Amino acid sequence: AQTVTQSQPEMSVQEAETVTLSCTYDTSESDYYLFWYKQPPSRQMILVIRQEAYKQQNATENRFSVNFQKAAKSFSLKISDSQLGDAAMYFCAYRRRGRDDKIIFGKGTRLHILP
Amino acid sequence: EAGVTQFPSHSVIEKGQTVTLRCDPISGHDNLYWYRRVMGKEIKFLLHFVKESKQDESGMPNNRFLAERTGGTYSTLKVQPAELEDSGVYFCASSQEWRTGFTGELFFGEGSRLTVL
Repeated sequence: AQTVTQSQPEMSVQEAETVTLSCTYDTSESDYYLFWYKQPPSRQMILVIRQEAYKQQNATENRFSVNFQKAAKSFSLKISDSQLGDAAMYFCAYRRRGRDDKIIFGKGTRLHILP
Repeated sequence: EAGVTQFPSHSVIEKGQTVTLRCDPISGHDNLYWYRRVMGKEIKFLLHFVKESKQDESGMPNNRFLAERTGGTYSTLKVQPAELEDSGVYFCASSQEWRTGFTGELFFGEGSRLTVL
């Protein structure tokens, strides 16, 4: 069975600094998606960034980038120039490629931004 | 375009009572998922509808949970009778997967927080 592990329950970073959130996963599949979702307090969960396993190039979205190491089954999220609005719960997630299949989540990392 | 909406946002009930949670997916989304997060733990899959059919209900914890999606539009999740361990946040998500360019993403609602006393 596929699993997703986030080993950092909480992290803090100074505003404008860079922080990296860790995620590892386990799967026997070769083609899948990986996601980072963000959930601000009392708000809905939104997609931050997505990576397709067959793509070697790491995904980037503005200040957010990932380090995808397929062989190591590692998928970390780097947030550059941290802003107060980045404070949220971050969930790493896995989904087998295809349709009609569920997303599997990690336990989440709560990120605090220090002014 | 309206997003996924869930109601109620917070419900407090006593053990043994019944609660019904509702989810309205994004219009046109055939796929609807229910997830639950118990405090401090991972978000766990409960079940998945494709239109009005249950595609996968392997995550439903027991027969006190009943999910329906009549007509393939909104969905309800009923807990009867509620137990203390049912407390948590229930998330609904939707997607339209049978279309060109599907990216694997699910769109989530804000969640319904259930507290069972």
